[in-house]
Amino acid sequence: DTEVTQTPKHLVMGMTNKKSLKCEQHMGHRAMYWYKQKAKKPPELMFVYSYEKLSINESVPSRFSPECPNSSLLNLHLHALQPEDSALYLCASSRFGGAGPAETQYFGPGTRLLVL
Amino acid sequence: GDSVTQMEGPVTLSEEAFLTINCTYTATGYPSLFWYVQYPGEGLQLLLKATKADDKGSNKGFEATYRKETTSFHLEKGSVQVSDSAVYFCALNTGANSKLTFGKGITLSVRP
Repeated sequence: DTEVTQTPKHLVMGMTNKKSLKCEQHMGHRAMYWYKQKAKKPPELMFVYSYEKLSINESVPSRFSPECPNSSLLNLHLHALQPEDSALYLCASSRFGGAGPAETQYFGPGTRLLVL
Repeated sequence: GDSVTQMEGPVTLSEEAFLTINCTYTATGYPSLFWYVQYPGEGLQLLLKATKADDKGSNKGFEATYRKETTSFHLEKGSVQVSDSAVYFCALNTGANSKLTFGKGITLSVRP
C-alpha cells in the first residue's frame, strides 16, 4: 500500500482566514514533504520533515507554517495568504528522507487552494 | 546544479500509436531517475524508476532505460490508450537533502 491521503480536497479562503491542510500516511515512512504546484508547472518543494524534525525549509514565507505532530501526520497551517498562493498543495512521503538517491517519494492527491 | 530537460509539448497521438517522451539530465554523482504521471485533477503517481545505469524501469506498458552515456531516460510505450492522457514528469534524485529535481512536464493527449 503506497497511499498518502490529504484533506480537504478543495479549499477556498479569504486573505484574513486561518486554515490548515492535513496529510496522513500509514506506510511507516519517516520523511514527509510539502510541495506547491502551480498550473502547468512541476511541483516546487516547500518543506521536508525527517523523523518528525524540520530538515528543509525552502525559504517559504512565514504565512505557511508546517507541523509534524507524529510520524504519520503532517499539517500545513495557512494564515494571511495572498491570491498568488492559490495552487495545488501536494504532500509526499518516503521511507527515511536523505537516505540516498534511490529513495522514492509517494505523493498524495493534493489540496486545491483558492485564495480570494 | 542538477537539472532535467524534457522535450517540448504538448504531444497529441492517436490511440494505439507509439509514444516516446524524451528526458535528459545533468547531475553530480549517481542519481536515480523517475517518471511520474499526473492525471487531470489528481496528484503525482510514480510510474517507474531506475536506480543505476542500464536499469530498465517498466510499469503499465511504459518503459524507460537509464542511459548514463547519453544522460537520458526516455519514456516509451508501444501502444497508447486514451486513458494515458496526462502530464508526465521526469525527475531525478541525487540523494542530497531528499530533493527531487523535476523536468517541466509534458502533456500527452490521446485521441480515440
